[in-house]
Amino acid sequence: DAMVIQNPRYQVTQFGKPVTLSCSQTLNHNVMYWYQQKSSQAPKLLFHYYDKDFNNEADTPDNFQSRRPNTSFCFLDIRSPGLGDAAMYLCATSNRDKISSYNEQFFGPGTRLTVL
Amino acid sequence: GESVGLHLPTLSVQEGDNSIINCAYSNSASDYFIWYKQESGKGPQFIIDIRSNMDKRQGQRVTVLLNKTVKHLSLQIAATQPGDSAVYFCAEIPYQGNLIFGKGTKLSVKP
Repeated sequence: DAMVIQNPRYQVTQFGKPVTLSCSQTLNHNVMYWYQQKSSQAPKLLFHYYDKDFNNEADTPDNFQSRRPNTSFCFLDIRSPGLGDAAMYLCATSNRDKISSYNEQFFGPGTRLTVL
Repeated sequence: GESVGLHLPTLSVQEGDNSIINCAYSNSASDYFIWYKQESGKGPQFIIDIRSNMDKRQGQRVTVLLNKTVKHLSLQIAATQPGDSAVYFCAEIPYQGNLIFGKGTKLSVKP
């Protein structure tokens, strides 16, 4: 089945130690998103790639970076994780074209990040 | 600023009863709305969507109602089951924009 895959499902890192979360998709969608979701809150968009074009949300800290080497894969890099970065990180994909205004997003299962 | 919010943060219903989850949105430019279900430890799962040119859409056991006059969205779940227990998020998508989530409502189903 076509899907959005996130690895690992659980990640533990130390304060200040760089960490990378990965996302892959078999949907061949042209847009990939990264969200941060803290306990009892709605997912918050960090950034997204529209094909190779990177789009950062205005309030996303510089500590968060992303890479998309090809259509299928997208990575979230946290350069110096702080305790406040502990959260669930969700990857999502959608297929956006110039005509359609509807961008249904398909979510992966998420990676739970713990910062010690 | 523009926002999507929910009236009730928690909802507890008896198994077999109908559930109604409400959502208010403020971006009049939004033309597409989605309800997501998120179970503990999982990503949001699409339930049902509705376009702004509709006021009602039905799925299997679920119905979404859209009232553009008062900018209100609701999700109705018929014959609620224990498996429906989750957090439900409404979300809006402005034209050519990104998805904006509401705050979420936790639905608990009592046996």
